[in-house]
Amino acid sequence: GENVEQHPSTLSVQEGDSAVIKCTYSDSASNYFPWYKQELGKRPQLIIDIRSNVGEKKDQRIAVTLNKTAKHFSLHITETQPEDSAVYFCAASIGSGGGADGLTFGKGTHLIIQP
Amino acid sequence: DGGITQSPKYLFRKEGQNVTLSCEQNLNHDAMYWYRQDPGQGLRLIYYSQIVNDFQKGDIAEGYSVSREKKESFPLTVTSAQKNPTAFYLCASRQQGASTDTQYFGPGTRLTVL
Repeated sequence: GENVEQHPSTLSVQEGDSAVIKCTYSDSASNYFPWYKQELGKRPQLIIDIRSNVGEKKDQRIAVTLNKTAKHFSLHITETQPEDSAVYFCAASIGSGGGADGLTFGKGTHLIIQP
Repeated sequence: DGGITQSPKYLFRKEGQNVTLSCEQNLNHDAMYWYRQDPGQGLRLIYYSQIVNDFQKGDIAEGYSVSREKKESFPLTVTSAQKNPTAFYLCASRQQGASTDTQYFGPGTRLTVL
């Protein structure tokens, strides 16, 4: 089955700096890659996603890049703010159904924004 | 994602008891999912259903059961066969066949075995 590895497990950056979180996946059939933000005790919230026919997607301060050949994708947050502090999860679709058969998640990155 | 509700928010179970977690959605989504989250871990797929009266096992289905009698509802039963059921359980739904593949999560149920 699909396996998703996420690094680093903890990332501390100064407010205003950029943060990058990286994930790799094992199943070349995966075609949908969402990123979720989860605050303590809350539900995961989708922040950005990308499909396999696109190499990069940007939404204001957040961007995601995908390298299908290398089977890795990354989340980039620029101009970090205190409210960006949370746990971030990457995920990959199980198979090529765009997530219809579920998602496989990485173990998460705890992002800490230092004032 | 405010259209997905889960109850109860907290649930305590004695060993040997079965418990049922509720998940309801009013988003008219076809597909629904159950994930389990353990501390410091990512989410793992338990069961999913793409259509009423049909469901499939995920990666960690042992000790769990589900039903999908209505489009809006996808309850999860944690049976006594589940050896380590203490976890945060998250339900999600997804619109099938639309241009978006987004899974929206409910607020979760935190289950503790006493």
